[in-house]
Parts: sequence; C-alpha cells; structure tokens
Amino acid sequence: NAGVTQTPKFRVLKTGQSMTLLCAQDMNHEYMYWYRQDPGMGLRLIHYSVGEGTTAKGEVPDGYNVSRLKKQNFLLGLESAAPSQTSVYFCASMGSTDTQYFGPGTRLTVL
Amino acid sequence: GEDVEQSLFLSVREGDSSVINCTYTDSSSTYLYWYKQEPGAGLQLLTYIFSNMDMKQDQRLTVLLNKKDKHLSLRIADTQTGDSAIYFCAEMDSNYQLIWGAGTKLIIKP
Repeated sequence: NAGVTQTPKFRVLKTGQSMTLLCAQDMNHEYMYWYRQDPGMGLRLIHYSVGEGTTAKGEVPDGYNVSRLKKQNFLLGLESAAPSQTSVYFCASMGSTDTQYFGPGTRLTVL
Repeated sequence: GEDVEQSLFLSVREGDSSVINCTYTDSSSTYLYWYKQEPGAGLQLLTYIFSNMDMKQDQRLTVLLNKKDKHLSLRIADTQTGDSAIYFCAEMDSNYQLIWGAGTKLIIKP
C-alpha cells in the first residue's frame, strides 16, 4: 500500500514549456486535490476532483488544467509554464474518513 | 472569505511544552486538523478534532478547541529536537475543502 505517490519529484522547465504532473493513490479514495506551496504561505488549492471524470477549480486555477480519467490518478498540466509557477506541488486524496493524505511533493522550477 | 491565522514562529527549549495556536473564521467547520511538515518533506497528518469536541489527547499531543472563540491549539509535551518542523492548522469547510493557515515554524533550543 503505497498511499499517495507523485511523479516526478523534481523538474526544471523553461518558460513556455509544458509538462504534466502525475498523482496516484491506491486507497480507492473519491476525492483528490492539487495544491501549491510557496514560501511563507499556506497551501493553496489549484484544482480538485470529487470522483472519476469530475474536476473543479480551486483558489488558484489559472495556468493549470487537470484530468481524472481514472479514479486512482489525478493529472495536473501546465500548458505554457511561467516563472510564477515555480513552486512545490502537493497532491492529496481523501476517502470516507474526511482526512486528506498527501504525497511527497514535486519541486518545480521555471526559468 | 474564510481564513485561518497562525503565528509564523515559535521557539521553545527542549523538554518544555510547545503550544501552537490557530484561529479560524468559518463557524460551519466540521473538522480541524494539525499537519506537520519537516524540511523537504510532504505533509504528515498529526491529529484532527471533530467540531463538537473540546479536547483530544494522543500521547504527547493535546488538541484544544474553543468553538465560541474559533480558537484551536496544539500542545506538544516534552518537546524534542525531532519535533522541529512547520505545523499547519487547517479547517474543513462545507465543500470538503481544507482552508490552511500559513504554518508555524517550531524552533527547538537546546
């Protein structure tokens, strides 16, 4: 039981490049979330999903897209990366216990 | 909108108790959480409390909830160097979303 995993752990992009971050969970959780964490700030919700095939915008959705084609996977896409998207990205999932479990994070730098 | 506030830093001596405080604004919160983040790591759930409880104890951790004042605290007894981390308070709103504080960095002095 791996819990929540994220791929990749680190990535450096040039401005304008695109990439996809993958989050996978093996706990059969319905809810999944993508957050970004910036120094001195709490986590900010980018997008979330309440079940397979559904997605919704969070607090800071601009510049990101998501997909939840399979229940266990939640993908976060950056179509045209900008330096303001340099951050640490965390994925989380939640089941019936109303507790969110987090992945280890992806550290993204956009030059 | 909903907001969660925490002090940014707390410094305590090893062996003393640490008390990390948090205030929130959403009176309809169902659950309130404490997460721990060590340097370079993800967030680890420490404990949580349901909104109809006043207190929850788990080994060295004690959570107190004052719903009237919308105040949550986390007490760590006998603070050790391994407790050095950033502690995040979060509340769950009616849409099952977490509203996060900015985190309190706990610094342990020898």
